[in-house]
Amino acid sequence: EVHLVESGGDLVQPGGSLRLSCAASGFTFSSHAMTWVRQAPGKGLEWVSAISGSAGSTFYADSVKGRFTISRDNSKNTLYLQMNSLRVEDTALYYCARETGSSSGWFIDSWGQGTLVTVSS
Amino acid sequence: DIVMTQSPDSLAVSLGERATINCKSSQSVLYSSNNKSYLAWFHQKPGQPPKLLIYWASIRESGVPDRFSGSGSGTDFTLTISSLQAEDVAVYYCQQYHSTPYTFGQGTKLEIK
Repeated sequence: EVHLVESGGDLVQPGGSLRLSCAASGFTFSSHAMTWVRQAPGKGLEWVSAISGSAGSTFYADSVKGRFTISRDNSKNTLYLQMNSLRVEDTALYYCARETGSSSGWFIDSWGQGTLVTVSS
Repeated sequence: DIVMTQSPDSLAVSLGERATINCKSSQSVLYSSNNKSYLAWFHQKPGQPPKLLIYWASIRESGVPDRFSGSGSGTDFTLTISSLQAEDVAVYYCQQYHSTPYTFGQGTKLEIK
């Protein structure tokens, strides 16, 4: 069974930094692209960033480009999101999600429970 | 970026009746090379993460009840629940995975009438 457990969420001041982690188990981690999706309180889903299985390709939403960095350690089955220059509008529940698919394309099929990031002074 | 627009924003349906949610993309999410539309549907119950229902616009995820079906191609898509059950109360989202950023619709809140 796919298991994704996020951690690292916290209260941080504007301009601060935070690193989120997502521990994966129950599948061959390196064979799957991974994604971060966030959800501001009471709002909808916002795709944030994705990384290929080999970590050779990374993708970002414009709202976080240049501030957030996605990475992974396949030897530790762990996904990361380094968040710098945090803004109040980055406040959200951050979900780690697994993508599945093939050369045709990849889509999200499993989600973690999320970790809460609050940016406030 | 591809903008995903769902309609309606909220919907109230009686138990056992049909529920229909629409999703429109600002540009086609169909790849002509494989004739696949890169569109997924999720639902999210209160306090839970989203759950995948449908991918490739019409393929039901394993374990999803067959009352859920997806249809459409190109820019216009529909999620249909053929006979609404109490456990289907949730917010429903469409998402395109044709090109990054993989945008979501704004969500449709489904309630019991």
